[in-house]
Amino acid sequence: EIVLTQSPGTLSLSPGERATLSCRASQSVSSSYLAWYQQKPGQAPRLLIYGASSRATGIPDRFSGSGSGTDFTLTISRLEPEDFAVYYCQQYGSSPETFGQGTKVEIK
Amino acid sequence: QVQLVQSGAEVKKPGASVKVSCKASGYTFTSYGISWVRQAPGQGLEWMGWISAYNGNTNYAQKLQGRVTMTTDTSTSTAYMELRSLRSDDTAVYYCARGGRHFHSDYWGQGTLVTVSS
Repeated sequence: EIVLTQSPGTLSLSPGERATLSCRASQSVSSSYLAWYQQKPGQAPRLLIYGASSRATGIPDRFSGSGSGTDFTLTISRLEPEDFAVYYCQQYGSSPETFGQGTKVEIK
Repeated sequence: QVQLVQSGAEVKKPGASVKVSCKASGYTFTSYGISWVRQAPGQGLEWMGWISAYNGNTNYAQKLQGRVTMTTDTSTSTAYMELRSLRSDDTAVYYCARGGRHFHSDYWGQGTLVTVSS
């Protein structure tokens, strides 16, 4: 099983600042089958990034994904008020599919 | 537009079973798989398994093997997830999502809260 470790656990930032979230895998993620999701309280997860770096439909370009192998990054270039949420990475290349434990981006 | 609409909240006693439905619309149902993911209160996301809507092939999380069954009804474009021998730690919001098995989960249902309590 591929274990995904996200860091930091919590990120305290102000609107307009840059957010950098990390997702490290215990083994290489095949073919960059790595996704990022945003989840707000009481809502279902929302797909942001798939294939490590492709933005999902309707996702603003302030969200970007990068990385390969075992190290992946989600960057939010300038935080908007609606971006404060919990973010999860997921690998879907190997069974079982696994999620990271999440990073909470909170208002400083 | 693609939509996944799940059945309503359930309250079950320990040892009982629950069956959650997920009705898809806005796309060709058999062209994508359906993944099931759950989230215990205040916790992260846990992958439960996947079913191909094309041929019914399944892949379940090892910890749920023997207790979970995922099925589809292509005539109504509906996926089902049944979990048996419920325990208190099965209390969670259960989500269905389009995708899985080398395809990202791009559309999600609204979630179904299953509460297991005596």
